[in-house]
Amino acid sequence: QLQLQESGPGLVKPSETLSLTCTVSGGSISSSSYYWGWIRQPPGKGLEWIGSIYYSGSTYYNPSLKSRVTISVDTSKNQFSLKLSSVTAADTAVYYCARQGITMVQADYWGQGTLVTVSS
Amino acid sequence: QSALTQPASVSGSPGQSITISCTGTSSDVGGYNYVSWYQQHPGKAPKLMIYDVSNRPSGVSNRFSGSKSGNTASLTISGLQAEDEADYYCSSYTSSSTLYVVFGGGTKLTVL
Repeated sequence: QLQLQESGPGLVKPSETLSLTCTVSGGSISSSSYYWGWIRQPPGKGLEWIGSIYYSGSTYYNPSLKSRVTISVDTSKNQFSLKLSSVTAADTAVYYCARQGITMVQADYWGQGTLVTVSS
Repeated sequence: QSALTQPASVSGSPGQSITISCTGTSSDVGGYNYVSWYQQHPGKAPKLMIYDVSNRPSGVSNRFSGSKSGNTASLTISGLQAEDEADYYCSSYTSSSTLYVVFGGGTKLTVL
């Protein structure tokens, strides 16, 4: 059974960089059939796609966040990571990692999510 | 970017059927058969219920069905059960401004 687990600091100061890692177990991140993505959800609000990565390293980002986002993959560790720079309170959210199909629309496996609060 | 448009809330009694709409444009819902629906219970991660407009992943009840007409996709839940009470989100592929994935604002389903 595929499992995804987010890890990283739960509190980040304004203007600093948010860094999260998603560890994939029970399957290989190097599968050619999937993308690996980050989706966030501010408290009490809806879902927002942040970006996705293919095992080869090809990346796709939400244009509204593109200037601040970097997603990378480490196939040797079966992990992929998110960096979001210059964070503000508006970046406070539950951050999910997920396995996505080839169109990136269907996400069939999700991590449990991790709340990241931006506050001084 | 504009999210897909969903009703904020819908409700129904146990055993009834309800439909949740998801309206987009010809650049997303209307242009591609890549619409997914997610169920999210409070404090939990979203769960994929429908993909590619009308396909159910293994293990999802056949009480859940999806369809599309023009720029509007729909999720129908038949034989409502108390456990169906949750938030539901639609998602679509989009060719708008290099944004590949767009979500709807979400619909709160209340089972009366």
